[in-house]
Amino acid sequence: GAGVSQTPSNKVTEKGKYVELRCDPISGHTALYWYRQSLGQGPEFLIYFQGTGAADDSGLPNDRFFAVRPEGSVSTLKIQRTERGDSAVYLCASSLISPEYNEQFFGPGTRLTVL
Amino acid sequence: AQSVTQLDSHVSVSEGTPVLLRCNYSSSYSPSLFWYVQHPNKGLQLLLKYTSAATLVKGINGFEAEFKKSETSFHLTKPSAHMSDAAEYFCVVSDHGGYSTLTFGKGTMLLVSP
Repeated sequence: GAGVSQTPSNKVTEKGKYVELRCDPISGHTALYWYRQSLGQGPEFLIYFQGTGAADDSGLPNDRFFAVRPEGSVSTLKIQRTERGDSAVYLCASSLISPEYNEQFFGPGTRLTVL
Repeated sequence: AQSVTQLDSHVSVSEGTPVLLRCNYSSSYSPSLFWYVQHPNKGLQLLLKYTSAATLVKGINGFEAEFKKSETSFHLTKPSAHMSDAAEYFCVVSDHGGYSTLTFGKGTMLLVSP
């Protein structure tokens, strides 16, 4: 079946602009995660959704970053007034939820470049 | 709080020789530990996981890792490297099982020469 998809694969924008990054999780996965991977670093957690609600948004760096998942499936990460430091690969992952471990399946990422 | 230290940013091996990628972790709870691999322009793929069962964990493509609580280590090994193993490898810790957030190390780039 289809894996996690992310669009666009690449996004170039100018400083100060607004961007939206989309994630389409694996069908039936109720958990959805956003991570950010800067050059030379491992991915860093941004936000976690259980269904429609953000269960943990402690990784969002500031209030310019916001994410939604209105119907419990597709999620959109929104960045206002972009800065050059926001340039990174934004990764989305999804998983099932149960008391036991469930693998997070990652999408290919969106490479954001802020000029 | 949880954290991961990958001791080498780059490891170079020759094809057919053993691979050792080192990882130390810190966790307030009994952790779950993982190794992920990232090939260029591809998504992260789970290699193997430790979730408090057997301490020696076998993964895909001949990789394995051993959980050593006394040393707080979770090193990744493979007996014989293949050219296709060249990629970036991430050691990852989660305090509350796989449905919680993951904390990644900075990654180790594995280079395999013929």
